[in-house]
Amino acid sequence: AQTVTQSQPEMSVQEAETVTLSCTYDTSESDYYLFWYKQPPSRQMILVIRQEAYKQQNATENRFSVNFQKAAKSFSLKISDSQLGDAAMYFCAYRSANTDKLIFGTGTRLQVFP
Amino acid sequence: DAGITQSPRYKITETGRQVTLMCHQTWSHSYMFWYRQDLGHGLRLIYYSAAADITDKGEVPDGYVVSRSKTENFPLTLESATRSQTSVYFCASSDRDPGNNEQFFGPGTRLTVL
Repeated sequence: AQTVTQSQPEMSVQEAETVTLSCTYDTSESDYYLFWYKQPPSRQMILVIRQEAYKQQNATENRFSVNFQKAAKSFSLKISDSQLGDAAMYFCAYRSANTDKLIFGTGTRLQVFP
Repeated sequence: DAGITQSPRYKITETGRQVTLMCHQTWSHSYMFWYRQDLGHGLRLIYYSAAADITDKGEVPDGYVVSRSKTENFPLTLESATRSQTSVYFCASSDRDPGNNEQFFGPGTRLTVL
């Protein structure tokens, strides 16, 4: 069975600085998708970024980028120029190409200090 | 309103009572999902549905029942609520297209079982 591990329950960063959130996963499959979701205090789940496993190029969305290391089964999220609005819970998630079910990590709470 | 909605947003009930959480989406997405979010566990899949009249168990289905008679609705019923079912419940939906299969989440329902 696939698993997703987020080993950092909490992280903090100063405004305008860069922070990296870690995620590792375990799978025997070669074709899958990885996601980072943001959950602000409103509880709404918001997709931040997505990576297809067959793509070697790391995904980027504005200030958000990933470091996808397929061999190491690592999928970290880098937030550049952190803003107060980035404060939230961040969840890493895995989806096999054969199913539509998401498997989530336990989340990392990010605090942003002015 | 367009999108995915859940009702009620908050619910308090007593042990042994039946509770139904509603989920409605306006996109005609094929897939719909129910997750529960608990501290230390992230989001865990309860049930999902690939189309009307097709449902399947997720990771934590015990104590829950679902139905999907119409594409746009996916109610979740707790037949006899227990304290361990106190949680935040999220409904989500996604399209069938494997290349564009982002899951869109509803706002969540906070359920408390006394």
